[in-house]
Amino acid sequence: DAKTTQPPSMDCAEGRAANLPCNHSTISGNEYVYWYRQIHSQGPQYIIHGLKNNETNEMASLIITEDRKSSTLILPHATLRDTAVYYCIACNAGNNRKLIWGLGTSLAVNP
Amino acid sequence: NAGVTQTPKFRILKIGQSMTLQCTQDMNHNYMYWYRQDPGMGLKLIYYSVGAGITDKGEVPNGYNVSRSTTEDFPLRLELAAPSQTSVYFCASMTGGNANTEAFFGQGTRLTVV
Repeated sequence: DAKTTQPPSMDCAEGRAANLPCNHSTISGNEYVYWYRQIHSQGPQYIIHGLKNNETNEMASLIITEDRKSSTLILPHATLRDTAVYYCIACNAGNNRKLIWGLGTSLAVNP
Repeated sequence: NAGVTQTPKFRILKIGQSMTLQCTQDMNHNYMYWYRQDPGMGLKLIYYSVGAGITDKGEVPNGYNVSRSTTEDFPLRLELAAPSQTSVYFCASMTGGNANTEAFFGQGTRLTVV
């Protein structure tokens, strides 16, 4: 699975959009980009995933560049409850779906 | 649906003791995983299973054992506990096959070995 690179920390004002970048320059064509978050050392929570196209759900939007070498997770109106560590992971159906976790981005949403 | 349930939530072990961390899921998922997370770090894969009767090692399997006799249950066994095994342990499950599905995680077991 491709290795991903994320900034270690970011800040965001409450109510503003939070844009979390992820670099995955070695991603292969069959690898999906997944985003999870972890709040206060609880179990990780799935947010969104995509392959080529941009995706949106009730939690967030995922923008993937055309060359698929990077992506951005967008939380459109961040709240204090969005303060968490966000992980970007590249995963394919092979390799038994094992998720390789980096250190993620610690997002602090400030009032 | 309870999802993925882990027990116990907290445990303190003495060096050399053994214990089993329980994990059960009610989503009929074929794939199950055990991860450990040390403070300030990402998750490290210990063992995984792609179906009942099938298990395999992950990145950090030493000091642990697993079994998968049913689809629902995937217990993790610690033999001869060591301080290096102090960590938070997470169990996860997902459907197998294609890559277009997400993992579901339990709330973790916080283990301290003293």
